Amino acid sequence: GAGVSQTPSNKVTEKGKYVELRCDPISGHTALYWYRQSLGQGPEFLIYFQGTGAADDSGLPNDRFFAVRPEGSVSTLKIQRTERGDSAVYLCASSVGTDHTGELFFGEGSRLTVL
Amino acid sequence: DAKTTQPPSMDCAEGRAANLPCNHSTISGNEYVYWYRQIHSQGPQYIIHGLKNNETNEMASLIITEDRKSSTLILPHATLRDTAVYYCIVSGKYGGATNKLIFGTGTLLAVQP
Repeated sequence: GAGVSQTPSNKVTEKGKYVELRCDPISGHTALYWYRQSLGQGPEFLIYFQGTGAADDSGLPNDRFFAVRPEGSVSTLKIQRTERGDSAVYLCASSVGTDHTGELFFGEGSRLTVL
Repeated sequence: DAKTTQPPSMDCAEGRAANLPCNHSTISGNEYVYWYRQIHSQGPQYIIHGLKNNETNEMASLIITEDRKSSTLILPHATLRDTAVYYCIVSGKYGGATNKLIFGTGTLLAVQP
């Protein structure tokens, strides 16, 4: 497909478990973003990659959250010791670059439910 | 980033123009105004952006006041499929150059048949 792909679309886990969420950006897009969205709220910025490096991780809530993009394409968001408050939709977006004229293309999100 | 203020909800009749306001009184000179929308259970979708001049594309028009402290997104002929949350975002380049977007809570536009 031509769009941003996120897997899994839904994930149910138990408190304390480890979770990985995957994002396949649009081919050729160098910038990749992770957001999370709680019910009734706008998306909340987590982290942004330019190529392989995390250029801005100021939105990660604590050290249980970590993201990687080892080859500058696919990214994985990793959550350790999940808590009920981590339940949200995790959105990934990509863009051609970091120029203002570059729009962000979002995926459909991964819905995480922590029981 | 500059903060934006939007009404929490608006109604619009199908076929009529929808005018969505946004206040961004603390916007600085190099910051752009972006509009995105989010249809239920989907990811946000880019609509339009601008710096100073009014902009128009196939989806909408963006009117920015001369002092740039507010803007209006116009959907010229709203349809039921335009029912969504509309986000007005101000973003500028700084430091390492990023177009990180900070979303607020947006305006829920309900298009009525």
